[in-house]
Amino acid sequence: DAGVIQSPRHEVTEMGQEVTLRCKPISGHNSLFWYRQTMMRGLELLIYFNNNVPIDDSGMPEDRFSAKMPNASFSTLKIQPSEPRDSAVYFCASSPEATNEKLFFGSGTQLSVL
Amino acid sequence: DAKTTQPPSMDCAEGRAANLPCNHSTISGNEYVYWYRQIHSQGPQYIIHGLKNNETNEMASLIITEDRKSSTLILPHATLRDTAVYYCILRTNAGKSTFGDGTTLTVKP
Repeated sequence: DAGVIQSPRHEVTEMGQEVTLRCKPISGHNSLFWYRQTMMRGLELLIYFNNNVPIDDSGMPEDRFSAKMPNASFSTLKIQPSEPRDSAVYFCASSPEATNEKLFFGSGTQLSVL
Repeated sequence: DAKTTQPPSMDCAEGRAANLPCNHSTISGNEYVYWYRQIHSQGPQYIIHGLKNNETNEMASLIITEDRKSSTLILPHATLRDTAVYYCILRTNAGKSTFGDGTTLTVKP
């Protein structure tokens, strides 16, 4: 099992540009989570999906952020336009079910917005 | 969301047991206690979880008090590679897992 796969590992972009982060969950997992980690705020849950449907997006900072899960094997987190304060490590995690199952995290995407 | 409270940092001598406490006084009856750790900037790694009984696996043991308001993660023989940030979190029925600040465990030679 390859685990949760995120791409790219590192992304450097300029303020105002669109950024798309990608995630492939573990096959057979029904739930997918996007987290953001910064020194100031720690690990924050942005949004999570169950069976490809967004369940809770209350952690999404603002309208510049959007997430999609078009099928069970792929999800994207898009920031448009990006700002320097979006610089962080973005983690994707999946679990077999939404409740009471352990999370499997990817290696993260280190995003730097200049 | 129910919250957890952990000490910000702890030290442990290599080869000794590391006991990491967590308070979760507002835990609901159907919420599980989960422990994860994060080494450097890697993604958090699952360690163990439990509802009300004590649990043990190849990595650690989890002791949950009878009233479920606190728990302790035990690493029986800490090694230098166990140096990491340890998170105690609660898993809600709605599926949300909210991470707090965690405990930075430093294992010293």
